[in-house]
Amino acid sequence: GENVEQHPSTLSVQEGDSAVIKCTYSDSASNYFPWYKQELGKRPQLIIDIRSNVGEKKDQRIAVTLNKTAKHFSLHITETQPEDSAVYFCAAVSSGSARQLTFGSGTQLTVLP
Amino acid sequence: NAGVTQTPKFQVLKTGQSMTLQCAQDMNHNSMYWYRQDPGMGLRLIYYSASEGTTDKGEVPNGYNVSRLNKREFSLRLESAAPSQTSVYFCASSERQGSTDTQYFGPGTRLTVL
Repeated sequence: GENVEQHPSTLSVQEGDSAVIKCTYSDSASNYFPWYKQELGKRPQLIIDIRSNVGEKKDQRIAVTLNKTAKHFSLHITETQPEDSAVYFCAAVSSGSARQLTFGSGTQLTVLP
Repeated sequence: NAGVTQTPKFQVLKTGQSMTLQCAQDMNHNSMYWYRQDPGMGLRLIYYSASEGTTDKGEVPNGYNVSRLNKREFSLRLESAAPSQTSVYFCASSERQGSTDTQYFGPGTRLTVL
């Protein structure tokens, strides 16, 4: 099955700086990669996603890049703000019959004022 | 629309007790999922239902059973709770199973097994 590894597990940045979270996946058949943000005590919510036929996608201060050859994808947050503080999860969906979401272990991002 | 709802929000059980976690969605989604979330381990899929009438095991199904009661409702049952099942449980739904459709999560149930 799919295995997703996520790094770092914790990340602290100064307000206004950029943050980068990286994930690798094992199944070359995976073709969809969503990112979820989870605030303390809340449910995970999708913030951006990318399909395997696209190398990069941006949405305001958030961007995701995908390198299919190396089987890794990254989340980039620019001009970080205190409200960006949360746990971020990457995930991958295989194009196989099950098509289950496999999540990374999460990154606790803290934006220091 | 309420989206995905879950009951109860909190529950404390003794080892060996049973309980059912309820989940409902009002988005007319075909697929529904149950995850558990443990510290440092992300979300792990317990069971999923690709469509009404079908259920399949996920990564960690042992100790759980599910029922897709109708298109709206998907319940998770613990027949004999164990301390290892202490976790936060999330239900989710999507229009289609897997694919690129967004999974929408419920607010979660925090379960403690003593």
